Amino acid sequence: GENVEQHPSTLSVQEGDSAVIKCTYSDSASNYFPWYKQELGKRPQLIIDIRSNVGEKKDQRIAVTLNKTAKHFSLHITETQPEDSAVYFCAASPTGNQFYFGTGTSLTVIP
Amino acid sequence: GAVVSQHPSWVICKSGTSVKIECRSLDFQATTMFWYRQFPKQSLMLMATSNEGSKATYEQGVEKDKFLINHASLTLSTLTVTSAHPEDSSFYICSARQGGETQYFGPGTRLLVL
Repeated sequence: GENVEQHPSTLSVQEGDSAVIKCTYSDSASNYFPWYKQELGKRPQLIIDIRSNVGEKKDQRIAVTLNKTAKHFSLHITETQPEDSAVYFCAASPTGNQFYFGTGTSLTVIP
Repeated sequence: GAVVSQHPSWVICKSGTSVKIECRSLDFQATTMFWYRQFPKQSLMLMATSNEGSKATYEQGVEKDKFLINHASLTLSTLTVTSAHPEDSSFYICSARQGGETQYFGPGTRLLVL
């Protein structure tokens, strides 16, 4: 099956700085890559996603890049704010009926 | 829109009993529902995928006789943990998908087996 690795596991940044989280996947058939934000005690929320036919997608302060050849994709958050503090998960889907999650990154934005 | 609920949110039970968790899509019809298990400070582990009216597809290593999944309608899927044991204690979270790729998560159910 698909194996998704995520780094780093923890990340602290100063408010206003950028944060980058990286994921790799193993199944070349994966073609959909969503990113989720999970605040403590709350459900995961989709923040951005990218499909395999696109190399980059941006939504305000959040962007995701995908390198299918290297099988890795990254989440970029610019101008970080304290409310960005949460656990972020990447995921890969090879069939649309299965989603495999990374191990999560706990992001802390220091005011 | 796209609200998913789970019931109960918390359950404590004795070892050997069975526990049923419900996952409902409140404002859309979910063609597919997913069940995940999340350990503290760890990732979501996909347990099974269920489509309405058909048998669930279980991930490798997940006992289908232990974790019974029923997707009886387009708005309801249930996960029954049979003969629960302390090692089954975990956070169980479902998600539902209407037809596209986006899945919407429920708030999760915390199970503690004594």
